[in-house]
Amino acid sequence: DVVMTQSPLSLPVTLGQPASISCRSSQGLVHSDGNTYLTWFQQRPGQSPRRLIYKVSNRDSGVPDRFSGSGSGTDFTLKISRVEAEDVGIYYCMQGTHWPWTFGQGTKVEIK
Amino acid sequence: EVQLVESGGGLVPPGGSLRLSCAASGFTFSSYRMNWVRQAPGKGLEWVSYISSSSSSIYYADSVKGRFTISRDNAKNSLYLQMNSLRAEDTAVYYCASGNGGRWGQGSLVTVSS
Repeated sequence: DVVMTQSPLSLPVTLGQPASISCRSSQGLVHSDGNTYLTWFQQRPGQSPRRLIYKVSNRDSGVPDRFSGSGSGTDFTLKISRVEAEDVGIYYCMQGTHWPWTFGQGTKVEIK
Repeated sequence: EVQLVESGGGLVPPGGSLRLSCAASGFTFSSYRMNWVRQAPGKGLEWVSYISSSSSSIYYADSVKGRFTISRDNAKNSLYLQMNSLRAEDTAVYYCASGNGGRWGQGSLVTVSS
C-alpha cells in the first residue's frame, strides 16, 4: 500500500500568518491516465471532512483562495496564505491513484 | 442542494451484522463513483470501499475484504454497505463520499461491543 506521511502533525499558527503542510507518498502518484490524484481535505471539529483541493492544485468551489496546493511526484504541499480562525481543524492528504486509496495521518492546525 | 444522508448505524455485538445506507439527492447519483470511508473514535480517516457508477468495479480495503459488501441501487439513489462478522476494531463513524471525496455525508456511528 502507498504510505502517505504528513508533517508536521501539529501546527500552531498565529492568526494572519501563513501555514504549510507537507505530504509525502511512498510511491509516485501519477496515474496511467496522466493525472495525479492527490487530494486535500479539511475536517473542522465535530464536522464531516470537506474537500479543499483535488488533483494536486485544483481548488473546490467555495474554497477561499488563501488555500493552495502544489507538488509533483511524491512530494506535495498545502499552503494557507493567511490563517483565519475558521481554518482550525485537521487536514488530511489522500492519494487516489493506487488501490487501496490511503490517507495521511492528519495535521492538526490550531491558533497560538 | 447536494446531500448524502447515512443511516443504519448502531450498537452490535462482535460477530454481528449491520447494513448501512446512504441516500443521495441533489445530483445525478447514477453518474458518480461512490465510497465508504470510516473514522475510528479520535483517529484519522480510513478508506473502506469503492464502487463505480455502474457497479462494474468494486474495491475493498484489506481490513474489511471478505466481510463487507458494497452495493448501490441507482434507481433509488442509494448506496449500501453490508457489514458481517463485525469486530471491535470496526467501531467507527462511517461516511459515504461521492467521487474522490467531493461530497460527504454526516456519518453513521457503528459500535461493535458486547
